[in-house]
Amino acid sequence: EVQLVESGGGLVKPGGSLRLSCAASGFTFSTYTMSWVRQAPGKGLEWVSSISSSGSHIYNRGSLKGRFTISRDNAKNSLYLQMNSLRAEDTAVYYCARDQQYSPLDIWGQGTLVTVSS
Amino acid sequence: DIQMTQSPSSLSASVGDRVTITCRASQTISGYLNWYQQKPGKAPKLLIYAASSLQSGVPSRFSGSGSGTDFTLTISSLQPEDFATYYCQQSYTEPPRTFGQGTKVEVK
Repeated sequence: EVQLVESGGGLVKPGGSLRLSCAASGFTFSTYTMSWVRQAPGKGLEWVSSISSSGSHIYNRGSLKGRFTISRDNAKNSLYLQMNSLRAEDTAVYYCARDQQYSPLDIWGQGTLVTVSS
Repeated sequence: DIQMTQSPSSLSASVGDRVTITCRASQTISGYLNWYQQKPGKAPKLLIYAASSLQSGVPSRFSGSGSGTDFTLTISSLQPEDFATYYCQQSYTEPPRTFGQGTKVEVK
């Protein structure tokens, strides 16, 4: 079964850090671009970051101003999102999704909730 | 970046109604437009890709059309399980993967 499973969310204080993980199974992870998409409570979907299959190309949402770093380990079939200097407005459910240029985000994880609050 | 604008932001409809949602891109995206359905507490689900191709397992009452900058999602006969929020998204360019703001389909 093709599957993505996120982990690592939780409650963190403003200014803190968190690392999200996404474990992939059922497909050849190393051949796909992967993306993170978030959804703040009651809001729409917002693309966060993408990484090419080899990791050589990385794309980030400009408004994040370098606070978030996407990475991957193809040997472990895993995607990561390192989030630093977290703010209240980063509170959201974070989804990982399988991606490819010209293709849709066809596989999504169940999401992991990140809450930034003092 | 390409901006995606959906309309309406919400609509009220009854079971059996024909529902149409539109999505406009700020510049041409050829046919690289995707539609997702999201229910509360769940991850988005791909419905339509490449403007008009039905994802495997999606009921045929869903259809998509359009090219260039203007696109449409149609539900031919709304079913109880179709009350949800729908998002369009372009995959024409390299990231960012821009989404429309969503259309919530509610019970009339």
